[in-house]
Amino acid sequence: NAGVTQTPKFQVLKTGQSMTLQCAQDMNHNSMYWYRQDPGMGLRLIYYSASEGTTDKGEVPNGYNVSRLNKREFSLRLESAAPSQTSVYFCASTMLQGTSLNNEQFFGPGTRLTVL
Amino acid sequence: ELKVEQNPLFLSMQEGKNYTIYCNYSTTSDRLYWYRQDPGKSLESLFVLLSNGAVKQEGRLMASLDTKARLSTLHITAAVHDLSATYFCAGLDDKIIFGKGTRLHILP
Repeated sequence: NAGVTQTPKFQVLKTGQSMTLQCAQDMNHNSMYWYRQDPGMGLRLIYYSASEGTTDKGEVPNGYNVSRLNKREFSLRLESAAPSQTSVYFCASTMLQGTSLNNEQFFGPGTRLTVL
Repeated sequence: ELKVEQNPLFLSMQEGKNYTIYCNYSTTSDRLYWYRQDPGKSLESLFVLLSNGAVKQEGRLMASLDTKARLSTLHITAAVHDLSATYFCAGLDDKIIFGKGTRLHILP
């Protein structure tokens, strides 16, 4: 049981390059999230997917796209990277159904992205 | 739209002391989450509070939720150095939104 996995762990891009961050979970969760973390800013929600087949914008969606490929996988794409997108990106998943006992949100290890 | 505010943002305290981190949120939140993050690491779930009056405890940490006041607290009892970390709270409307975090530094 790997939990939430993310690839890559580190990436350096040049301005204008594109890339896709991959995220997968094996906990049969219905909801998945992408956050970015910048010093002093906490975690800001980029996009989320409440269930398979749906995606919605979060607090800071500009410059990003997402795909909920299936129940397990949720990818984040930067079409034309900019220095302002230098950040640590976290993927997370949870089960949002009813009032089950736990409903914890589990995080992946993060991707450290630098855009030059 | 849900907004989550934590205070203080930074806290330096002596070992053995008690302290409380506050988490206010702006609109109805279906549940309230608390997390811990160590430097350079990912986030670790501490508590999920589901209803008004909910209280959960793990070791020296205790979290509570008052939905009428839109307030959750994380209380630290007799702090030890190992509890030094950044603590986040987060609320849920149709998505999970985080506060900016409280950086806790416990002096030996």
